[in-house]
Amino acid sequence: DIQMTQSPSSLSASVGDRVTITCRASQGIGGHLNWYQQKPGKAPNLLIYTTSNLQSGVPSRFSGSGSGTDFTLTISSLQPEDFASYYCQQSYNTPYTFGQGTKLEIK
Amino acid sequence: QVQLQESGPGLVKPSETLSLTCTVSGGSVSGYYWSWMRQSPGKGLEWIGYIYYSGSTNYSPSLKSRVTISVDTSKNQFSLKLSSMTAADTAVYYCARGPQSFYGTSVFDYWGQGTLVTVSS
Repeated sequence: DIQMTQSPSSLSASVGDRVTITCRASQGIGGHLNWYQQKPGKAPNLLIYTTSNLQSGVPSRFSGSGSGTDFTLTISSLQPEDFASYYCQQSYNTPYTFGQGTKLEIK
Repeated sequence: QVQLQESGPGLVKPSETLSLTCTVSGGSVSGYYWSWMRQSPGKGLEWIGYIYYSGSTNYSPSLKSRVTISVDTSKNQFSLKLSSMTAADTAVYYCARGPQSFYGTSVFDYWGQGTLVTVSS
């Protein structure tokens, strides 16, 4: 199985801050990396696919980059609705695996 | 808008078999792959397996010996059976559409709201 390791596991930030979350795969996955946002009590919601493509309706303050084994999710200017948990997921092969998540909290 | 809804018992006894059903509305199960995932504090998000509308399946090796996923196109539903349940299987179980081919990768683009399953006697 491909292991996905996210850091940090939690992050405190303020509205307007720029934040970056990293995701590392245990082996190369090309660009087959997706990001999901999850709010408390809700299902994960697709945010970014194929490393850097925003899902329809996702604000442009979100961006993704990387390739191979190292990937990042950046939020350029945090808004109140962005405080949630974020998960990376590799779709390179099965079993599909997720990172352990990053909880973004208000400072 | 595609919507998914899980249904099934919220409490299962140890050693019993969990049975969950996902009902799809606003779209058809035909033509797509459908997955089950679960989420627990200890293990995070875990993909359990998928089924194609035609019936072909792919399961996570860690659960393969205990999992059966089936589809009923006439009812627009797909189902999960997980046998020999233990406390470690306590989790929120999600059904989702996918892996859906999407611009060069595979994603899970529609999810159910999730259902908490607790394993306890």
